[in-house]
Amino acid sequence: EAQVTQNPRYLITVTGKKLTVTCSQNMNHEYMSWYRQDPGLGLRQIYYSMNVEVTDKGDVPEGYKVSRKEKRNFPLILESPSPNQTSLYFCASSRGQGGIQENYTFGSGTRLTVV
Amino acid sequence: GQQLNQSPQSMFIQEGEDVSMNCTSSSIFNTWLWYKQDPGEGPVLLIALYKAGELTSNGRLTAQFGITRKDSFLNISASIPSDVGIYFCAGQSYAGNMLTFGGGTRLMVKP
Repeated sequence: EAQVTQNPRYLITVTGKKLTVTCSQNMNHEYMSWYRQDPGLGLRQIYYSMNVEVTDKGDVPEGYKVSRKEKRNFPLILESPSPNQTSLYFCASSRGQGGIQENYTFGSGTRLTVV
Repeated sequence: GQQLNQSPQSMFIQEGEDVSMNCTSSSIFNTWLWYKQDPGEGPVLLIALYKAGELTSNGRLTAQFGITRKDSFLNISASIPSDVGIYFCAGQSYAGNMLTFGGGTRLMVKP
């Protein structure tokens, strides 16, 4: 089954403790992206990647890092999480390099709480 | 970044009623997309619009790409309980590498 898989689904952590949220897709998509969803703000893009070893900042990149060493994986790294990073996070992938987004596929989300 | 204003923020309607929601932008988009998010899941694409003035239907859903390229609306006819969820508009500009999302419309349907 074609899908985007995020792990973990739920995470509670403490301020300053480094964490990684993994994202993997099995569709051989070039384009991958991370979003955070907050009430009333919709989905805001954190980082995106147009292909292996090619990453770029989205609208809200501060406090986050990403890497794209392999085509299928796009982990999101929080080096020193803070409470304002408490949010619902989504990974998404798409064929092509950000052209027509019709086949943009989202993962099921990771709910992160930083205390 | 670009701003997309989506309204209303929430709606509570009776089963069988029609629903309308819209998005407006300060910038021009060349693609408009409408997504639905069920509780505990990621957004799923409902309708994609590629040309100004385009009107597209998907079952009980109809969406239009505004002629100015700065707005879009989504209508749902004869709502049913499974229409409950959050609906998002999203726009893609000619610059192309990113989607900008609206703030979402939370739809609640009373049986």
